[in-house]
Amino acid sequence: GAGVSQSPRYKVAKRGQDVALRCDPISGHVSLFWYQQALGQGPEFLTYFQNEAQLDKSGLPSDRFFAERPEGSVSTLKIQRTQQEDSAVYLCASSSSPTGGLWQPQHFGDGTRLSIL
Amino acid sequence: AQSVSQHNHHVILSEAASLELGCNYSYGGTVNLFWYVQYPGQHLQLLLKYFSGDPLVKGIKGFEAEFIKSKFSFNLRKPSVQWSDTAEYFCAVRGNTGKLIFGQGTTLQVKP
Repeated sequence: GAGVSQSPRYKVAKRGQDVALRCDPISGHVSLFWYQQALGQGPEFLTYFQNEAQLDKSGLPSDRFFAERPEGSVSTLKIQRTQQEDSAVYLCASSSSPTGGLWQPQHFGDGTRLSIL
Repeated sequence: AQSVSQHNHHVILSEAASLELGCNYSYGGTVNLFWYVQYPGQHLQLLLKYFSGDPLVKGIKGFEAEFIKSKFSFNLRKPSVQWSDTAEYFCAVRGNTGKLIFGQGTTLQVKP
């Protein structure tokens, strides 16, 4: 399809397990963002890539969170030793603008709903 | 600190009523403002955006927003809502490196 694709749509894990969430941005989009959306809240920024370079990871809540985009297209968000407070919807967005959407908007995927038991 | 505040958490309107959703921001740099909408079961979609120029911005589906710099506001308006406007609405400001800083969202329920 033409949109941002995220997988899996739903993920249930036990506390302490590691999880990996995948994002396929729109083809050719330079900028890629990850956001975390807790229930009843707006999305909160986690990290930003320009091609394969991670230019901003100021929003990652702890060193258990790690993101990569090794070839400048698909990105993976990994959470190690998951905790209950990690339960949220994780959103990926991409933009064709190298400045992260200054003149081109961010396009969002459907998100991955992560539940930690 | 950069932040966005949406005053109305949950709004219930009847069809044909007028809508205004409040949004205030706190940001010291050049302001780029957005309204996104999330219909039930769908992803976030851009409604409209403000970068510069005319402070009255028109978006899709009859929505508009007015940037008032002196009030640090970017309120969303629609003269006559429809049942299909039932959704969650998010105001956002573009921060450094392009990340979006969102408000907590407003759930709009339109009764037929």
